[in-house]
Amino acid sequence: DTGVSQDPRHKITKRGQNVTFRCDPISEHNRLYWYRQTLGQGPEFLTYFQNEAQLEKSRLLSDRFSAERPKGSFSTLEIQRTEQGDSAMYLCASSLGQGATGNQPQHFGDGTRLSIL
Amino acid sequence: AQSVTQLGSHVSVSEGALVLLRCNYSSSVPPYLFWYVQYPNQGLQLLLKYTSAATLVKGINGFEAEFKKSETSFHLTKPSAHMSDAAEYFCAVSDRSGGSNYKLTFGKGTLLTVNP
Repeated sequence: DTGVSQDPRHKITKRGQNVTFRCDPISEHNRLYWYRQTLGQGPEFLTYFQNEAQLEKSRLLSDRFSAERPKGSFSTLEIQRTEQGDSAMYLCASSLGQGATGNQPQHFGDGTRLSIL
Repeated sequence: AQSVTQLGSHVSVSEGALVLLRCNYSSSVPPYLFWYVQYPNQGLQLLLKYTSAATLVKGINGFEAEFKKSETSFHLTKPSAHMSDAAEYFCAVSDRSGGSNYKLTFGKGTLLTVNP
């Protein structure tokens, strides 16, 4: 168990640029989540994958955001035409889910901190 | 929709004193409940979880939490605070039904300061 890995840890970019983040979940975990955390707040759900299928997207995820998990392993989150309000910590989490078991905890990566100039 | 309320955005205790961090949830059906800890510039680490077994749950680092259905609460405690406990603590819930995809809903967090 090497844990959830996120890359990069920090990203500074100018407003209007596109950015892409990567998440490598724990290898046997089939569930993958993205959350966004702004200063002084708890994480907020963005989107959920079960294997390669994106099964849920939050209303927070505007059309400038897109996420993929092409082979059911790593995932990418892309933000196009970044805005000041996109500045936040983007957290990835994974868990092992079998059937209707929701009691398996989510394991979080250290996040990618995005700063928009 | 579920919601989580953490009373007290900042709690300050002396080293060796009792730690009590409060969490109340809003849900018609008792959800799964979790406490996570976050150190600066890091992700969240699971402290403990309640999934419907014993109502008193023991976690890592000497923390424990008690599920009280009548009070819709899941407060986190530790008998004796250590300097290394200084961090931000988040209470989270997830719906027991598969329809929610078990996503977590977090409280706003409580920053714990431990004074020497």
